[in-house]
Amino acid sequence: DADVTQTPRNRITKTGKRIMLECSQTKGHDRMYWYRQDPGLGLRLIYYSFDVKDINKGEISDGYSVSRQAQAKFSLSLESAIPNQTALYFCATDGTGKGETQYFGPGTRLLVL
Amino acid sequence: ELKVEQNPLFLSMQEGKNYTIYCNYSTTSDRLYWYRQDPGKSLESLFVLLSNGAVKQEGRLMASLDTKARLSTLHITAAVHDLSATYFCAVALYSGGGADGLTFGKGTHLIIQP
Repeated sequence: DADVTQTPRNRITKTGKRIMLECSQTKGHDRMYWYRQDPGLGLRLIYYSFDVKDINKGEISDGYSVSRQAQAKFSLSLESAIPNQTALYFCATDGTGKGETQYFGPGTRLLVL
Repeated sequence: ELKVEQNPLFLSMQEGKNYTIYCNYSTTSDRLYWYRQDPGKSLESLFVLLSNGAVKQEGRLMASLDTKARLSTLHITAAVHDLSATYFCAVALYSGGGADGLTFGKGTHLIIQP
């Protein structure tokens, strides 16, 4: 089983709708992140969380909100989706080991019409 | 504001050739990551570089870090078609208990032709 899972994997929605993207991890990591990827722009940080009580905005948090329901679960919400939020969304986790990498989920492809 | 620049952004090369991808960053950081992404897939971690002068190698890929120059390189030796992918470098800023997330370059789209 994958260590970082995301649901749904693909989603089509309409402008103005509220949607939630979910992320779960079995790595036991405290730190979790949401990124979005747009063609030619790399990945950009939306929100990150160091634990259930610690939520921080990233570079592009406007239009998004998050919820850390448990150590293993971190959800991203689009309160009122707009077409320029069409992108590929990745969840990631980070361990505490000095040489440890960030582990990425499989991604959610979102299309806002 | 941390900025990460990769170059080239697009690279087409022949099998058997050597080439280097460059990653410059604007603010002191002690952790530099390289990832690979295949079309439609997630990011696969290649290397994490932690200190000045660090060098890591895996197969035909070798990464190095010069923190004084704020430069990392990813060198490809005797390229093979299977290495065709998009390669990202990323830098971490830290505060408090851990990484504030990664700042990514725009990626280098690498095509290796027979």
